Amino acid sequence: QKEVEQDPGPLSVPEGAIVSLNCTYSNSAFQYFMWYRQYSRKGPELLMYTYSSGNKEDGRFTAQVDKSSKYISLFIRDSQPSDSATYLCAMARGNTGKLIFGQGTTLQVKP
Amino acid sequence: NAGVTQTPKFRILKIGQSMTLQCTQDMNHNYMYWYRQDPGMGLKLIYYSVGAGITDKGEVPNGYNVSRSTTEDFPLRLELAAPSQTSVYFCASSYQDRYTGELFFGEGSRLTVL
Repeated sequence: QKEVEQDPGPLSVPEGAIVSLNCTYSNSAFQYFMWYRQYSRKGPELLMYTYSSGNKEDGRFTAQVDKSSKYISLFIRDSQPSDSATYLCAMARGNTGKLIFGQGTTLQVKP
Repeated sequence: NAGVTQTPKFRILKIGQSMTLQCTQDMNHNYMYWYRQDPGMGLKLIYYSVGAGITDKGEVPNGYNVSRSTTEDFPLRLELAAPSQTSVYFCASSYQDRYTGELFFGEGSRLTVL
């Protein structure tokens, strides 16, 4: 069993839709949860960071962590074609850069 | 600031050849990392370094070596290349004084071993 599971998609939505991306994990020691966005042929960039459980909002993006269910989500409101990218969830046991990544979900937002 | 710079961007190797992927950062970060990304497999940590002269293995270190002689540079050495090392390699760096989960990645080096 992989430590972090993420549906690779691809996911295709119309512009303006609400997008929900999810990851499940098996290791209860994870405390730090991140979402990275990766455009084609580029390196990943940090989108959202959450410590422990709860919600965090940043503009059109909301990250949720449910540690009891070992489940994290990223919601994108009013999706735009510029949101078309691969979204990677990532987790860490401690405050280090030794991240465990999900497989990534490829999102396409059609105009 | 250039951020994290990787060279080369593309390389084709024959089985058994060796090469070094170069990585340099100009943000004065102490922590540096090498990840590899295979299609549909996410990123996996190969090696990391917490400062000049200090390196440690990550999840998938076999077939690779690193060194960290300066804060800025963190080269990755592939010895006796194998087809299983065909991948995209990303170098990254981070602050550790105030943890935000943020790694700064380079644009990647695409390696094919034939």
